Amino acid sequence: QSALTQPASVSGSPGQSITISCTGTNSDVGGYSYVSWYQQHPGKAPKFMIYEVSNRPSGVSNRFSGSKSGNTASLTISGLQAEDEADYYCCSYTSSNTWVFGGGTKLTVL
Amino acid sequence: QVQLQESGPGLVKPSQTLSLTCTVSGGSLSNGGYYWSWIRQHPGKGLEWIGYIFYSGNTYYNPSLKSRVTLSVDTSKSQFSLKLSSVTDADTAVYYCARLVIVEKDFDYWGQGTPVTISS
Repeated sequence: QSALTQPASVSGSPGQSITISCTGTNSDVGGYSYVSWYQQHPGKAPKFMIYEVSNRPSGVSNRFSGSKSGNTASLTISGLQAEDEADYYCCSYTSSNTWVFGGGTKLTVL
Repeated sequence: QVQLQESGPGLVKPSQTLSLTCTVSGGSLSNGGYYWSWIRQHPGKGLEWIGYIFYSGNTYYNPSLKSRVTLSVDTSKSQFSLKLSSVTDADTAVYYCARLVIVEKDFDYWGQGTPVTISS
């Protein structure tokens, strides 16, 4: 199972919005609504941010939103803040009853 | 608040078996709504799902690691464990345990991670 494809890096200024894409196949992203997103600050464990494509767990800012079209899922962060600077990973359930992650995207807040 | 904590040796020799344990607190390992999973992160790289175990002992592994992985659970101690055999330097990584929500198929709680280096 190949890793999902994410851009290596994205950047934006405070207050702006950015979108991170996550491309898979019909056997994972495109086949299920089980895409989740995780935020990871350096040296820390991943934090659960989005589940089932577009749902936010309790406590996650509504500045974070998710969507999906075909084999590509997206994470949008609006009103960028300095604290949003981190690595972001997408994850999808697959037709093999396994889970596959993206390679990660480093978000820089300029 | 559910908490997970990994423990085990930080250094393992090549060809030996890596053994880690995850202790769960603030929630029951026997809750039928969750699988208990291991995930690893190679230095500077992305995340790789290793496998999951249900409290009953049912397991499912990443096919790429299946021949070397064994997961076990001890509900009396609220712990689940990972064994990875015949390790090489390619197994050097930070190992995380995480709770996998069965219905939503996502990882909602994670341990802090434990670094494991494979070296003689």
